[in-house]
Amino acid sequence: DAKTTQPTSMDCAEGRAANLPCNHSTISGNEYVYWYRQIHSQGPQYIIHGLKNNETNEMASLIITEDRKSSTLILPHATLRDTAVYYCIVRVHGGATNKLIFGTGTLLAVQP
Amino acid sequence: EAQVTQNPRYLITVTGKKLTVTCSQNMNHEYMSWYRQDPGLGLRQIYYSMNVEVTDKGDVPEGYKVSRKEKRNFPLILESPSPNQTSLYFCASSLLTSTDTQYFGPGTRLTVL
Repeated sequence: DAKTTQPTSMDCAEGRAANLPCNHSTISGNEYVYWYRQIHSQGPQYIIHGLKNNETNEMASLIITEDRKSSTLILPHATLRDTAVYYCIVRVHGGATNKLIFGTGTLLAVQP
Repeated sequence: EAQVTQNPRYLITVTGKKLTVTCSQNMNHEYMSWYRQDPGLGLRQIYYSMNVEVTDKGDVPEGYKVSRKEKRNFPLILESPSPNQTSLYFCASSLLTSTDTQYFGPGTRLTVL
């Protein structure tokens, strides 16, 4: 699985969009970008994933650059309940490695 | 509601006293896994199971046992707990064809004195 780099922490005002970046410059052609989050000491929660096209679901949007070396998770209207550690994971879809490898992630603090 | 449940959520015990943490999922998932989370070390996989009666070691299996007699249940057994097993434990499940999107339980915080 390709290595990812994320900022350690970010702040965002409540009601504003939160943009969380992730660098994955060594990503290979068959690797997807996955995002999970972990609200304080709760189980990690799957958010979204994508290969090369931008993706949107009820929780967030995922923007992947054309060269696929970086991506941005967007929470369009952040609320206090979005305060969590956000993990960017790059891996082959359905690959042999069944475990998820969580790095240190980005602690997003949504401020009132 | 689709979910993974764990019990107990909190447990304080003493060294050497056998304990079991239960995990159950209602999504008919083939794949189940146990992770532990420790400060500075992230989540590490303990054991996983691809289906009933099929289990395998993860990265940190020492001191733990598991069983998969039914599809929905995947208990984690600590035969003789030690203080270094004090941790936050998570159970997860997914379809075998989609282990990229795993559903996690709420966690069990274990303290071994």
